[in-house]
Amino acid sequence: TQLLEQSPQFLSIQEGENLTVYCNSSSVFSSLQWYRQEPGEGPVLLVTVVTGGEVKKLKRLTFQFGDARKDSSLHITAAQPGDTGLYLCAARLNTNAGKSTFGDGTTLTVKP
Amino acid sequence: GAGVSQSPSNKVTEKGKDVELRCDPISGHTALYWYRQSLGQGLEFLIYFQGNSAPDKSGLPSDRFSAERTGGSVSTLTIQRTQQEDSAVYLCASSVPGQGAGGYTFGSGTRLTVV
Repeated sequence: TQLLEQSPQFLSIQEGENLTVYCNSSSVFSSLQWYRQEPGEGPVLLVTVVTGGEVKKLKRLTFQFGDARKDSSLHITAAQPGDTGLYLCAARLNTNAGKSTFGDGTTLTVKP
Repeated sequence: GAGVSQSPSNKVTEKGKDVELRCDPISGHTALYWYRQSLGQGLEFLIYFQGNSAPDKSGLPSDRFSAERTGGSVSTLTIQRTQQEDSAVYLCASSVPGQGAGGYTFGSGTRLTVV
């Protein structure tokens, strides 16, 4: 059983469109992270959300942590080809130590 | 160093041979993690170090896999008698526990191909 379910698995859109990807779980987490990974590289941390209902913005990216701290969403406005990559969510049961559990990711392709 | 460094970046080995993968974390990062990633997939946890101790090695797939960390710094992941199913990208990450609420800094990974 996958602890973190990401959807959609694949997403292909045109430049300028908006999109939302989701990360869902039946477990409650202390914190949740979003990463972006490009081919041949390791994941790069985009944001960490900690408080239920928290919303964080990073330029055209908006991240939200669900009120119950079981789910999260990533919304991209006016997508650009440079946004292409694998988007991974990860969650930790304990903020101080221990492993993060990763979802299987959403592969985003933005066509010019 | 400025980032997490992994070596080699690519490794092709014959089935049955042993391999060693190296990770040099960010200086001062006491926590170190090994993950494995198959093509286009999410990350599979292998082992976690806090200092030189490994409080969680629950993700190691079999006793052919082992890891150590010395001096609270460099870590080596060893795979003995490699099998084709071991082919994957092995990623190392480090962090300071309690800082940044859990985000990691990853290296670029070692792509292991067992032929």
